[in-house]
Amino acid sequence: AQSVAQPEDQVNVAEGNPLTVKCTYSVSGNPYLFWYVQYPNRGLQFLLKYITGDNLVKGSYGFEAEFNKSQTSFHLKKPSALVSDSALYFCAVWMGGGADGLTFGKGTHLIIQP
Amino acid sequence: SQTIHQWPATLVQPVGSPLSLECTVEGTSNPNLYWYRQAAGRGLQLLFYSVGIGQISSEVPQNLSASRPQDRQFILSSKKLLLSDSGFYLCAWSVLGNTGELFFGEGSRLTVL
Repeated sequence: AQSVAQPEDQVNVAEGNPLTVKCTYSVSGNPYLFWYVQYPNRGLQFLLKYITGDNLVKGSYGFEAEFNKSQTSFHLKKPSALVSDSALYFCAVWMGGGADGLTFGKGTHLIIQP
Repeated sequence: SQTIHQWPATLVQPVGSPLSLECTVEGTSNPNLYWYRQAAGRGLQLLFYSVGIGQISSEVPQNLSASRPQDRQFILSSKKLLLSDSGFYLCAWSVLGNTGELFFGEGSRLTVL
């Protein structure tokens, strides 16, 4: 069975600094990997996904993520954080071919300090 | 464009009362539909998914049930709510055969007292 780990409950970053939100996965095979963002009392919004090809994936709102197969990681990054980036971020994995949905990590609270 | 609607947005119910949360999708046909529960603002737990009318797969045995009476309608129900049913319920859809991304509704917050 696949699983996703987000080792940090919370990440604090000063506005303007680069940010990284960590994600590692455990699967047998080649995963499809996703990042979502959730603002308070809202649904999840899709940010980006990795299927195959270039290990650096660019997504919405200036976010990008780097797929590292040897480290089984898919960390979310942004070169310069904004206060408005403060939210709950979820990493997710899907093994493809089925309809049984995504497996999500527990989420990481990202707090951008002015 | 596709849209997804969930209602009610907020619900406060006594223990032992019934529950019905509804989700509809517009602008697409034959979507896969999902119900997730999010407890305490953190991780998501897949409850049910459906690949077609009347076809429901349950991921976790519990006090809840799901139905899909129409192609783009997905309903989450309970006959008798428990305190532990409190949480934020999210409906989502995906396109069969796509690359897996889910599109979520705005959620329904259920408080059982």
